[in-house]
Amino acid sequence: HSALTQPASVSGSPGQSITISCTGITSDFGGYKYVSWYQQHPDKAPKLIIFDVNSRPLGVSSRFSASKSDNTASLTISGLQSEDEAHYYCSSYSSSLTLWVFGGGTKLTVL
Amino acid sequence: VKIVESGGGVVQPGRSLRLSCAASGFTFSNYGMHWVRQAPGKGLEWVAVISHDESETNYGDSVKGRFTISRDNAKKTLYLQMNSLKTDDTAVYYCAKQGALAGDLDYWGQGTLVTVSS
Repeated sequence: HSALTQPASVSGSPGQSITISCTGITSDFGGYKYVSWYQQHPDKAPKLIIFDVNSRPLGVSSRFSASKSDNTASLTISGLQSEDEAHYYCSSYSSSLTLWVFGGGTKLTVL
Repeated sequence: VKIVESGGGVVQPGRSLRLSCAASGFTFSNYGMHWVRQAPGKGLEWVAVISHDESETNYGDSVKGRFTISRDNAKKTLYLQMNSLKTDDTAVYYCAKQGALAGDLDYWGQGTLVTVSS
């Protein structure tokens, strides 16, 4: 089961908005439909920032939002801040196959 | 919630290693648990999952048949038995708690480094 596809890198200036795409969330192999997003700063563990396609855990900034359309999920970060500079990973889950898969990751640079 | 992995180290190709993950701050026996790994400079790779009651396990293709995930709910501990290790298994191994909606991993440990090298 191949990984989900993300752009290798994106960048933006402070205050701007950026969007990271995640493609390959297909209904094949039982149906991947649950999408989550993770933020990882250098040498730190990943942190859940979006679950169930577009829900935020308590404590995660409302500047993070997400959506899904057909086979593509998207993470949007608005009002970019320097602390947002990190790697971001999408993930999907197939309940019928009991399989999880991650995207290749996107490095966000805040200029 | 606190998750702490241990057991990493340097091991020769073909040998075995067992990782442990001690959990606290939540009712361990109520949640599925996962192992996820990250090779140096690379992205995240899902490794394995075990259901809350040990009734179901599953593995990523690259470790199927070589790795075994298990848990001891009384000790609130998750394990990963890694056999027939390959150099490609070199990675930081993270233990993660499954979220209530099952699709996400809501808490992660800091990871333990496994280096497979002769």
